[in-house]
Amino acid sequence: RKEVEQDPGPFNVPEGATVAFNCTYSNSASQSFFWYRQDCRKEPKLLMSVYSSGNEDGRFTAQLNRASQYISLLIRDSKLSDSATYLCVVGWVRNTPLVFGKGTRLSVIA
Amino acid sequence: GAVVSQHPSRVICKSGTSVKIECRSLDFQATTMFWYRQFPKQSLMLMATSNEGSKATYEQGVEKDKFLINHASLTLSTLTVTSAHPEDSSFYICSAIIAGGTEAFFGQGTRLTVV
Repeated sequence: RKEVEQDPGPFNVPEGATVAFNCTYSNSASQSFFWYRQDCRKEPKLLMSVYSSGNEDGRFTAQLNRASQYISLLIRDSKLSDSATYLCVVGWVRNTPLVFGKGTRLSVIA
Repeated sequence: GAVVSQHPSRVICKSGTSVKIECRSLDFQATTMFWYRQFPKQSLMLMATSNEGSKATYEQGVEKDKFLINHASLTLSTLTVTSAHPEDSSFYICSAIIAGGTEAFFGQGTRLTVV
């Protein structure tokens, strides 16, 4: 079983739409959770951390369900500039390498 | 946020030659750096963990004699791809986590093409 699993997409949505991505992880001892964004041929960049209580940053909302080992990312009012690959990332303990999902490709269409 | 500088960003080399990639933490000290590889449409795969002043820890399936890692200082780790072959063509990315932190900061990546 893969450690971090995501639907690869692609998700093709019109501008202004709301889109949700899901991710599951296999290691129940995981302690840190993130969503990274990766543009084509670029390095990944942190979009937001994910906390148990859920957290929001502008149009982006992240949720964590430890019991189901499930993470989600909701993007509201999609912009063309949101087009990218979104990576679900899980960490175990501090200073250990992060484990990346394969990413979910999002294309926002005008 | 913290800055990690990776160089070169792109390199084309002939089969059989060696290529060195540098990863520097510019405004923080990184006792541990990580090297990842990403093939097209694939996820980032951890190759090795680079520890300052000690031998790197390689993931299963990664040849340590082919991918030489040196982490001689708290701000610099290097990855040398020795005797490169076309199948080594990939996107190599380093990352570092500030001691005690959880967020990973990434270098810009190096696109290696072996011809």
